Amino acid sequence: DTGVSQNPRHKITKRGQNVTFRCDPISEHNRLYWYRQTLGQGPEFLTYFQNEAQLEKSRLLSDRFSAERPKGSFSTLEIQRTEQGDSAMYLCASSFAGNQPQHFGDGTRLSIL
Amino acid sequence: AQSVTQLDSQVPVFEEAPVELRCNYSSSVSVYLFWYVQYPNQGLQLLLKYLSGSTLVKGINGFEAEFNKSQTSFHLRKPSVHISDTAEYFCAVSERGGADGLTFGKGTHLIIQP
Repeated sequence: DTGVSQNPRHKITKRGQNVTFRCDPISEHNRLYWYRQTLGQGPEFLTYFQNEAQLEKSRLLSDRFSAERPKGSFSTLEIQRTEQGDSAMYLCASSFAGNQPQHFGDGTRLSIL
Repeated sequence: AQSVTQLDSQVPVFEEAPVELRCNYSSSVSVYLFWYVQYPNQGLQLLLKYLSGSTLVKGINGFEAEFNKSQTSFHLRKPSVHISDTAEYFCAVSERGGADGLTFGKGTHLIIQP
């Protein structure tokens, strides 16, 4: 069990640019989740996958956000045309099954200049 | 939809004293409950969980929590805290048979004073 791995740890970009984050879950976990955490707040759910299927998307996930998990292993989260309000920590988690404890990565901190 | 309220944004406690971090939730269905801890610039680490069974749940690092259905609470306790317990603590809930994403509270910053 090597844990959930997220890359990069930090991303600084100019407003209007596109960014992509990667998450590698724990290998035997078939559920993968994305959350966003802003300063002083708890994480907010964005979306989740069971294997390669994206089963739920939060209203927080605007049209500029897209997530994929093409082979049911790693996942990517892309933000197009970034805005100041996208500055946050993006956390990935995985679990063995639904409603089982989720294991979190260390996150990708996005800063928009 | 469910919600979680952590009543205290910050709790200062002297080292070796007991502590209780409060968590109340709201949901129209039965829930699963979790406490996570977050150290600076890191992700969340699971402290303990309530899925079913005994309402008193023991977790890692000497923490425990009690599920109280009538009061819709899941308070976290530790009998004697250490400097290393300084961190942000989050209570979270998910609905049984419902959407799988966790709903988190805003967190409680536990500050241990020497």
